[in-house]
Amino acid sequence: SQTIHQWPATLVQPVGSPLSLECTVEGTSNPNLYWYRQAAGRGLQLLFYSVGIGQISSEVPQNLSASRPQDRQFILSSKKLLLSDSGFYLCAWSRGRDDSPLHFGNGTRLTVT
Amino acid sequence: SQQGEEDPQALSIQEGENATMNCSYKTSINNLQWYRQNSGRGLVHLILIRSNEREKHSGRLRVTLDTSKKSSSLLITASRAADTASYFCATHPSGGYNKLIFGAGTRLAVHP
Repeated sequence: SQTIHQWPATLVQPVGSPLSLECTVEGTSNPNLYWYRQAAGRGLQLLFYSVGIGQISSEVPQNLSASRPQDRQFILSSKKLLLSDSGFYLCAWSRGRDDSPLHFGNGTRLTVT
Repeated sequence: SQQGEEDPQALSIQEGENATMNCSYKTSINNLQWYRQNSGRGLVHLILIRSNEREKHSGRLRVTLDTSKKSSSLLITASRAADTASYFCATHPSGGYNKLIFGAGTRLAVHP
């Protein structure tokens, strides 16, 4: 069966510090991978998605970047965090078909202070 | 931009009652999906309805889709306290089947 791991679960970082969130998927190959951000009590904003190694599509201009160094690894990064980067970050994967559901990790709660 | 918009934003009911949540979307779709999110957790896929389907059932869930009105509804029958969660609809924007766009969600509270 497929599983998705996302860590850390919570993170408190000062403004201006770097960020690295990691997500890995097990039990499937060549998944589509996604990073979403959720503000408190709100819906999900798609940040990045990837259909293959090294292929990253950015949805929203921002202070963040994403990389996919391996087939089942997706990393969200920032060189210098802003207060507005605080939020709940969710990684997800799908089989990349139109009718494929997304499978989410348990998220990372990021607080930038 | 949001593809789906749910209403109501929040819904509070008693156990045993039915809960209905609505979703409207803007562009043509191939399918529409509903997800559930418990507080502080990731989303879990509930059900997918294709554009050529009008109604679909899964246990206590009933989803309808009206492509002429670009709207869908999720009905949870005989609700339980454990159904307390946020519910989101999601669609692929036209021509963008690799990405899924979510609405703002409905927060459902079921009181014992």
